Amino acid sequence: AQSVTQLGSHVSVSEGALVLLRCNYSSSVPPYLFWYVQYPNQGLQLLLKYTSAATLVKGINGFEAEFKKSETSFHLTKPSAHMSDAAEYFCAVSGSGGGADGLTFGKGTHLIIQP
Amino acid sequence: DGGITQSPKYLFRKEGQNVTLSCEQNLNHDAMYWYRQDPGQGLRLIYYSQIVNDFQKGDIAEGYSVSREKKESFPLTVTSAQKNPTAFYLCASSIVLGTGLTEAFFGQGTRLTVV
Repeated sequence: AQSVTQLGSHVSVSEGALVLLRCNYSSSVPPYLFWYVQYPNQGLQLLLKYTSAATLVKGINGFEAEFKKSETSFHLTKPSAHMSDAAEYFCAVSGSGGGADGLTFGKGTHLIIQP
Repeated sequence: DGGITQSPKYLFRKEGQNVTLSCEQNLNHDAMYWYRQDPGQGLRLIYYSQIVNDFQKGDIAEGYSVSREKKESFPLTVTSAQKNPTAFYLCASSIVLGTGLTEAFFGQGTRLTVV
C-alpha cells in the first residue's frame, strides 16, 4: 500500500524566512505527487503537482517542490514566508490503483508564520 | 464557474439519526470521492466512484453509504451505525487517465457535529 509521511505536524518560521515542508512517499511505481493547502474550515486547494515532466515543479503563491526519486522525497519550499501562508499543508500521492481509487494523504503540516 | 458544491456547510446530527451530505460537480469528471478529516489524521478515504452506478469502499467505509445515480452527484449518508461521526467531510472529483489521477478538485467541506 502507498503511504506518505510528512515530518513535523507543526512548523514555525518567521515572516520573510525560508519555508521547508518535508514529504516522503513510498511507492513501487513512479507516482503522481501533489501538495495541497487548506485554510480553516475550507476545502483543499492544489499548490502544485509532479507528473514526471520535470523534477522541479513550480506552483502558485511562490511555492515549489523538487522530486528526488533516490530519496523518495517531494519537499515543498518557498524562499520568503508571508503571513498569508499560514495554513495546513498536505502532501499526497496517487493511489496504487492507477489513481482511480483516490489520493493517499499525509497527516498534514500546520505552518505557523511568526511576525 | 465549474466546481464542486457541498451542502450544507454545517450539519448537526442527533444520536441514532441518519444524515445525508450533498456533493454536486459540474466539471464532467467521471471519478468522485468522499474523505473524512479529523485533526492530526489527514484525509481518509470513505468511498469512491469511478463511474455512474458503481462505487467502491475506501479505508473507513463502515457506518457510511453512498449512491451514484448521476454523473454530477455523489451523496454520502452517515448512518446511525457510525459511532463517531463528528468530523469534517470533503468531497472531491477527478479525471483519471491511463497513467493515473491527474488532479483532484475539492469542495468546501461539510462539518458534521453530533449533538
